[in-house]
Amino acid sequence: QGQLVESGGGLVKPGGSLRLSCAASGFRFNDAYMNWIRQTPGKGLEWISYISGSSSTIYYAESVQGRFIISRDNDKNSLSLQMSSLTPEDTALYYCVKGYTIGDAFDLWGHGTMVIVSS
Amino acid sequence: SYVLTQPPSVSVAPGQTATITCGGNNIGIKSVHWYQQMPGQAPVMVINYDTDRPSGIPERFSGSKSANAATLTISRVEAGDEADYYCQVWDVSSDHPGVFGGGTKLTVL
Repeated sequence: QGQLVESGGGLVKPGGSLRLSCAASGFRFNDAYMNWIRQTPGKGLEWISYISGSSSTIYYAESVQGRFIISRDNDKNSLSLQMSSLTPEDTALYYCVKGYTIGDAFDLWGHGTMVIVSS
Repeated sequence: SYVLTQPPSVSVAPGQTATITCGGNNIGIKSVHWYQQMPGQAPVMVINYDTDRPSGIPERFSGSKSANAATLTISRVEAGDEADYYCQVWDVSSDHPGVFGGGTKLTVL
């Protein structure tokens, strides 16, 4: 079934940057569509970014477009999210998530890494 | 951007049937997926492509869809079904395709 383990979360000041990582195992990572999805404490889920297996197709939510960059290293079975110009509204639990079949659903979730943006 | 609308809460007695709706413009032409999120845990997919149930998901969980709304139905509700439920679509016509509904809190009375 596979496993996803996120890391890199923490406390950062407004305007700062942070890089999240996700280590994947137990499935063919280089064929997998991958996503980052976040959840504000006590609130709902927000999809924020998608990357295809070859990195040829990338999408972002409007809320992070121009500030976040998704990338992957298929040799290392890893996914990353470089976040910059962070605001308190970016405070959330960030999940690394594997896409299902053609990538339009989400069938494997990590446990998440918490990002807190506060002065 | 595409919007999915869910009721904030649904309450049902044990053994009864819970229905959670998900509305969206022309949702009938989109594939709808459903997720269950227990407190403190990551979401789990319980229905994909409107009606398909992943392996390991009880048969009590089913999905359906009309032209105007998708529905998650949980039959013979148990206390352990109490959770947040989210619908989701992939809006292929958009540059920002991932869309979740606001979530529905299912309370088992």
